[in-house]
Amino acid sequence: DSGVTQTPKHLITATGQRVTLRCSPRSGDLSVYWYQQSLDQGLQFLIQYYNGEERAKGNILERFSAQQFPDLHSELNLSSLELGDSALYFCASSGTLISGGDNEQFFGPGTRLTVL
Amino acid sequence: GQQLNQSPQSMFIQEGEDVSMNCTSSSIFNTWLWYKQDPGEGPVLLIALYKAGELTSNGRLTAQFGITRKDSFLNISASIPSDVGIYFCAGRTNFGNEKLTFGTGTRLTIIP
Repeated sequence: DSGVTQTPKHLITATGQRVTLRCSPRSGDLSVYWYQQSLDQGLQFLIQYYNGEERAKGNILERFSAQQFPDLHSELNLSSLELGDSALYFCASSGTLISGGDNEQFFGPGTRLTVL
Repeated sequence: GQQLNQSPQSMFIQEGEDVSMNCTSSSIFNTWLWYKQDPGEGPVLLIALYKAGELTSNGRLTAQFGITRKDSFLNISASIPSDVGIYFCAGRTNFGNEKLTFGTGTRLTIIP
C-alpha cells in the first residue's frame, strides 16, 4: 500500500458526460501528479500540483482540468468525454520538489474510466 | 507523447532464471527509476538512480544508470512467481521532483 488513495476505483459513463476523479496523497506529501495510462500511449504525465499551485503541465487536453485543495487532496475533472478518454488514471504524490531517498513519486491504485 | 524505448517488450522465462531488460532514450535524463505494475494496481517503485554509472541493488534486483545518461538496465536474479508483472523504466530530465517520462514496459511471464 503506497498510502495514496484514489476514488472511485471504476467509473463507467457515456460520451459527452463529465466526471471527477479524486486523489488523496500520502500523509505529509505536498506534490500531486496525474498520469493517464492507455493501451496505445502508455503512461503519460498530465499535470502536477505543489501545495495548491499548478506546477507543470504535460499532455493534458483542454477538456481536462485539475486542482489541489488546501487539505492537499486533488481532483481531476474530465468533461465532454470521448471514447478515446477511456483509460486508467493514476495519481502519484511526493513529499517535496527535491528528489531522492524516500521522496520519489508513489502511485495510487488508479481509477479505470470507461466511456461508452 | 514521448515514451522511452524499453526492450524486450515481453519475456517468458522459467522460475529461477535471471532476467535482463533495458531502457533507452534519445535524450539525456538525470534520474532513472524502475517501477513494477501488477494487474489492476498502480506502479510500485523498485529502484531509483541519480548518478551516471550508478549501480544500485534492491534484494534480487539490480539496476544501472548508463554512463551516457541515455539508458538504464534492470536485472532480476533467480526469478520467482511474484516477479510476474509489467516493469517500467521512467526518466526525469530535471533534478527536481517533476514529471516522469515512462518506458513502453516489459511484461514478464514465468512459465511453470
